[in-house]
Amino acid sequence: ETGVTQSPTHLIKTRGQQVTLRCSSQSGHNTVSWYQQALGQGPQFIFQYYREEENGRGNFPPRFSGLQFPNYSSELNVNALELDDSALYLCASRSGPYTNTGELFFGEGSRLTVL
Amino acid sequence: AQTVTQSQPEMSVQEAETVTLSCTYDTSESDYYLFWYKQPPSRQMILVIRQEAYKQQNATENRFSVNFQKAAKSFSLKISDSQLGDAAMYFCAYRSETGSARQLTFGSGTQLTVLP
Repeated sequence: ETGVTQSPTHLIKTRGQQVTLRCSSQSGHNTVSWYQQALGQGPQFIFQYYREEENGRGNFPPRFSGLQFPNYSSELNVNALELDDSALYLCASRSGPYTNTGELFFGEGSRLTVL
Repeated sequence: AQTVTQSQPEMSVQEAETVTLSCTYDTSESDYYLFWYKQPPSRQMILVIRQEAYKQQNATENRFSVNFQKAAKSFSLKISDSQLGDAAMYFCAYRSETGSARQLTFGSGTQLTVLP
């Protein structure tokens, strides 16, 4: 059973550029969430995808968008990058959006630096 | 909106000793889960322990246990017989049982150092 994998692990962009981060969910998991973790802070919920549709969103502007594919992998896209977008982006998956166990399985994150 | 507060940015403990990490939260809901996650330098969040709000009994997982005080909205983590591998950032998190996403709300974390 493979865990949650994310790519790339590190990347550097300049302000105004666009970035795409990728996530493969754990085997058998159809629900993927994305979190932003700024340096020295706890993760903040960006959005969640279930069966290829967004079914929840945190307080992030529309330039943060996502996709989920039929194999349940997911992408996070950020347009018009700002300096404050520099953060660790965590992907997490679970077996369903309403599971009562509440357990998420996290990847190791993608560290984005915006210059 | 729910908030989670961890008032101890850093804690240290001697190997084999016991340490308690504090967490308070604010919510008007009655049905929710609480979690402690560990984030080592590898950056991967690892679930340590979970507590259902409707259960009065405190959760225990081996050396890890919680003190859940629902009326006080307090959820502390006790680590017994601390080991060097316990050194990490610890996050307290809240999950509502309403809404479609059931997302986690995290505190700001406590950096735990284990001294040999």
